Formats: sequence, structure tokens, C-alpha cells
Amino acid sequence: AQSVTQPDIHITVSEGASLELRCNYSYGATPYLFWYVQSPGQGLQLLLKYFSGDTLVQGIKGFEAEFKRSQSSFNLRKPSVHWSDAAEYFCAVVPYSGAGSYQLTFGKGTKLSVIP
Amino acid sequence: GAVVSQHPSRVICKSGTSVKIECRSLDFQATTMFWYRQFPKQSLMLMATSNEGSKATYEQGVEKDKFLINHASLTLSTLTVTSAHPEDSSFYICSASARDTGYTFGSGTRLTVV
Repeated sequence: AQSVTQPDIHITVSEGASLELRCNYSYGATPYLFWYVQSPGQGLQLLLKYFSGDTLVQGIKGFEAEFKRSQSSFNLRKPSVHWSDAAEYFCAVVPYSGAGSYQLTFGKGTKLSVIP
Repeated sequence: GAVVSQHPSRVICKSGTSVKIECRSLDFQATTMFWYRQFPKQSLMLMATSNEGSKATYEQGVEKDKFLINHASLTLSTLTVTSAHPEDSSFYICSASARDTGYTFGSGTRLTVV
């Protein structure tokens, strides 16, 4: 079955430390891949996305993600975490090529806590 | 960039009443709109997908007569929770999709049924 897995439910890091949030997918072909961030009581904000091309994708707020086809992974990274990065992070996929009207499937999310 | 406005952000209603939630794409025309429900500390669960001018497609287990979706134009979709009960209390989020903009989310609606 097609799925998106975020193995870490909750991660705590110190401010200034590096961060990596894991995401694995299980689809027949390479899907479109997304990372979203959600602050409490808010909607979702797109951090970055991968459709094709360069497997290292730069996003907003200093985040990047690397697509690794051999590992079916799309891990999110940030070299130095800020206290304002504390939030819930969701990996999501669209299982088709071509943008627009295909539904996103979300992982269960990873909650990031930042220690001052 | 693409902006989606969702209104209201919070609503409290009495059990048995109906509540309407609006989702508007402000600066683009959305090919498709999606409605999600999110329980506390959980991921987003897709409820339904709607295309302008056609009936919404509901996910398995979602009652279409309870969660009425209207997508009258390329910039507006509404979700009406009919005869709301406390178990309908949740966080509802819409998303608007277009080829050039991808998926843009509203800021969500916290529904509390008392």
C-alpha cells in the first residue's frame, strides 16, 4: 500500500544545533514530495517541494531537503535551529507527476521542540 | 504568492445546529479544493475533494450528508457541518490547488460543538 512514514513522533533539539527530520515513502514511482510546517492552531505553510531535477532542494527559513531515490527518503534538514522553528512538521506526497489536482497524502507528523 | 483565506478561524456552536466554513483563494483560481480534518496531535485526514461546478468526492467513512461541500466558483468552496454534534469538534483545514501554485492551505477553523 502507498504510504508516507515519519518515524519520529517528537524530536527535541537545542537552539543552534542541527536538525534532520526523516520521511520515507512507499510508492511505485517517484511521487512529488513536500514538507509543510504547522504552528499550533494554524494552517500549513509550505517549506519546500521536490518535483524533479536537483535532488537537494532549498526551502524557506533555511530548510533544505534531499531526495534519495535508493532509500525512498526525503529528509528535511536545517544546520542551525532557532527557537521559532518549534512546530509540527509534515511530509507529504502526491503520487503522480503533473501539478494541480491530485490529493496530498500526509505523514503523521513530527513535533519539534527547541530547548533555549 | 498564492493566498487562501479560511473563515471563520474559530466557531462555537450548539449541538444540532449547522456551521458553514468558507475557503477562498484570493489571488488565483483553484482547480480543486480539498477539505481536511485534523484531530489533536494527529495528521491531516482528507475528507473530500471538490472541483468547481461538480459534486465533491468524499473519502471513505466521511458522511456526505453531514459534511456538505459546495464549490460554486474557482475561488470559493464551503464546508457545512450539518446537525453538528460534539464529536464533530475538530480542526478543519482547506487547501486550494492550481497548476501554477501547487497546494495552498488555509489557516484552519477550530470548531467546538457544545
